[in-house]
Amino acid sequence: AQTVTQSQPEMSVQEAETVTLSCTYDTSESDYYLFWYKQPPSRQMILVIRQEAYKQQNATENRFSVNFQKAAKSFSLKISDSQLGDAAMYFCACAAYNQGGKLIFGQGTELSVKP
Amino acid sequence: DTGVSQDPRHKITKRGQNVTFRCDPISEHNRLYWYRQTLGQGPEFLTYFQNEAQLEKSRLLSDRFSAERPKGSFSTLEIQRTEQGDSAMYLCASSSPPGQGGYTFGSGTRLTVV
Repeated sequence: AQTVTQSQPEMSVQEAETVTLSCTYDTSESDYYLFWYKQPPSRQMILVIRQEAYKQQNATENRFSVNFQKAAKSFSLKISDSQLGDAAMYFCACAAYNQGGKLIFGQGTELSVKP
Repeated sequence: DTGVSQDPRHKITKRGQNVTFRCDPISEHNRLYWYRQTLGQGPEFLTYFQNEAQLEKSRLLSDRFSAERPKGSFSTLEIQRTEQGDSAMYLCASSSPPGQGGYTFGSGTRLTVV
């Protein structure tokens, strides 16, 4: 079975600063994918960034980047130059090909951005 | 395609009533997933379809829950004899087989059982 753990229920960052959200996961699968999703109050789940486990290079999407440590089963999200619009609930998730590709989510980290 | 659509957006029902939700996935996506999310928690997997076949059901999906995906297109999730504990957001997502793309989520159906 897969598990995903987010140990930071809440985080806060000053506008324009950098913040890192933590995530650890556990899976026995070798072919899996990791994701960070953003969920604003509207509840629409929005993909922030995705990482294939077989790729060693860390994924980057504009101001968002990940630190993927496969051996440690760690997948943290770094948000640079934080903006007010980044305030939301962030979920880390894992999906394994041989498990039907279903997403297993962590408990979430609520990020607030201070002006 | 404008994405994954779910209907209704909100549903208030009395305990004991039956409710049905609909999800229309992205047409090219052959996989469709249902999740349940309670306030302050991450979404929990309920079930998924590949085309019209229901391939996995979570233990969370009690016998009061049933899901269908006729002809591999839209899907419905029915809850019979609703209980207050069923109050949650029900999310639908569709995808291509893993590795070929990402997942697209609908806006969800918020169910309140009174």
